[in-house]
Amino acid sequence: EVQLVESGGGLVQPGGSLRLSCAASGFIFSDYYLSWVRQAPGKGLEWVAVMNQDGTQRDHVDSVKGRFTISRDNAKNSLYLQMNSLRAEDTAVYYCARDQGLAGGLDSWGQGTLVTVSP
Amino acid sequence: QTVVTQEPSLTVSPGGTVTLTCASSTGAVTSAYHPTWFQQKPGQAPRALIYSTNNKYSWTPARFSGSLLGGKAALTLSGVQPEDEADYYCLLYYGLPRVIGGGTKLIVL
Repeated sequence: EVQLVESGGGLVQPGGSLRLSCAASGFIFSDYYLSWVRQAPGKGLEWVAVMNQDGTQRDHVDSVKGRFTISRDNAKNSLYLQMNSLRAEDTAVYYCARDQGLAGGLDSWGQGTLVTVSP
Repeated sequence: QTVVTQEPSLTVSPGGTVTLTCASSTGAVTSAYHPTWFQQKPGQAPRALIYSTNNKYSWTPARFSGSLLGGKAALTLSGVQPEDEADYYCLLYYGLPRVIGGGTKLIVL
């Protein structure tokens, strides 16, 4: 069974940093792209970042470029999102998702971790 | 900045049929964008329904189908059930970046 479990969320002050983790199991982690998607309270989903299988390709939504960085450790079956210079508008539930593109879309999602940016 | 547009809300009667659409600010949506659809109910993580325009997962109910319609991606629900009341999102692939639409709130009334 595919499982994705996010952790690392919490309350942080504006301008602060946080590192989210996503622990994967039930599939060959190194075979898949992975994405981060967030959802602000009461709002819709927003795609945040993607990384390919070996970490050589990545992309981020414009609103987080230069502040957030996606990375992965295939030896630990883990995906990360380093978030710096956090703003109030980054407050959201952050989901990691297995991303199969044309072969299967974002077929598996974690339950999410809440990040709150507030003084 | 690329924008993906969905109907904010739609209302359908139980047993009825409804079509949700997904448009791209870059022009017509084609299969090259690999349209993907998700369902989200309150307090839950999104659940994938359709990938690459019209492909279903093993868990996707038969009443859900995906297509391209008039330059947009479309999700059709036939024989709507009360439990289909939810938010529905489409995602389009623009090469490496992905963009998710604003979502459609489907009301079953």
